[in-house]
Amino acid sequence: AQTIHQWPVAEIKAVGSPLSLGCTIKGKSSPNLYWYWQATGGTLQQLFYSITVGQVESVVQLNLSASRPKDDQFILSTEKLLLSHSGFYLCAWSPGVNQDTQYFGPGTRLLVL
Amino acid sequence: EQQVQQSPASLVLQEAENAELQCSFSIFTNQVQWFYQRPGGRLVSLLYNPSGTKQSGRLTSTTVIKERRSSLHISSSQITDSGTYLCAMEDTNAYKVIFGKGTHLHVLP
Repeated sequence: AQTIHQWPVAEIKAVGSPLSLGCTIKGKSSPNLYWYWQATGGTLQQLFYSITVGQVESVVQLNLSASRPKDDQFILSTEKLLLSHSGFYLCAWSPGVNQDTQYFGPGTRLLVL
Repeated sequence: EQQVQQSPASLVLQEAENAELQCSFSIFTNQVQWFYQRPGGRLVSLLYNPSGTKQSGRLTSTTVIKERRSSLHISSSQITDSGTYLCAMEDTNAYKVIFGKGTHLHVLP
């Protein structure tokens, strides 16, 4: 069975500090991977997607970057956090062949002060 | 422009009543998915329904792609059904997924 993990569970960070959020998928080779962000009370927005190692496409510009260093790993980062980065970050995966359903991780809650 | 519209925005039911949630999209899609978002934020996939009617337990989804709409029917609602229901469509650009704002469901005893 496939499992998806996100870390950390929650973070409180200062404006201007760096950030790195991680996501790993076990039990599935070559998954499509996605990052989403949801402001408190807001709509879930797709940030990035990746269909293969080393290749990441940006969907929404929020002064964030993403990388896929391994087949099962997806990293979201920034060198300087903004107040507007606060919210809930979700990682998801879908099978590599045909879009099919997406499966979400438990999420990381970020508060920027 | 909100590309995925959900209605109603909120819904209050008595336990055992049925619920009908609607989703419409402004652009063409061939991928529609319904999710339940728990109070803590985690998303649970309910139904993946690109077209026609699909059922899972007390949930039934009907998608009419040509009319750019999908619905989710919850029968015999339970208190534990309370939460936010999200509709998502995938842009024909593939891999780009757009969510609606959700329907907040409250089921009362």
